[in-house]
Amino acid sequence: GAVVSQHPSWVICKSGTSVKIECRSLDFQATTMFWYRQFPKQSLMLMATSNEGSKATYEQGVEKDKFLINHASLTLSTLTVTSAHPEDSSFYICSASGASGRAQYFGPGTRLTVT
Amino acid sequence: QKEVEQDPGPLSVPEGAIVSLNCTYSNSAFQYFMWYRQYSRKGPELLMYTYSSGNKEDGRFTAQVDKSSKYISLFIRDSQPSDSATYLCAMRGEYGNKLVFGAGTILRVKS
Repeated sequence: GAVVSQHPSWVICKSGTSVKIECRSLDFQATTMFWYRQFPKQSLMLMATSNEGSKATYEQGVEKDKFLINHASLTLSTLTVTSAHPEDSSFYICSASGASGRAQYFGPGTRLTVT
Repeated sequence: QKEVEQDPGPLSVPEGAIVSLNCTYSNSAFQYFMWYRQYSRKGPELLMYTYSSGNKEDGRFTAQVDKSSKYISLFIRDSQPSDSATYLCAMRGEYGNKLVFGAGTILRVKS
């Protein structure tokens, strides 16, 4: 149980375009979803937390207008990187937790390359 | 000082060895403790989850939490080359849902 999927697993886009990443909890209802960014050989950096039906809470330094997060249902959250630039190239990982909110289950990650 | 300290390694061991991975922390409010395994270019996989102090065993993995010392450990018995990965400790308080992660320890098990 506790499976989280992400789509796409990798994406290449041109500078100035937008890209959407989907995160789905497959076998449980995710009341809270999290979006992380990870640079090579570094730990996870939390970008934002979202609860179903509510606006996301962004961490300090994360541009909310650039990284749009939608958590419209208990099984789906999306991260849209708007007007992407090469510095946005990174590994983006989502996680989800259920009603108990104790453990977080991570998706497989999405590698974004902006050319 | 970081809230959670974890030696980044790398830690190299021969196949079959017992591996000990550790994290120390400074926030006494932490109550939930987790260990994740992350293979290269993959998302972290939850290995062990414990609440408060004590031990928990699951197959070859044993997690220990010593809240008095603010020290947690993950032991891997009969280590295998497939255990080669980065191991992340994570923890959070009783309330709230943000996890605080260690830097991750790179483990290499050599056959």
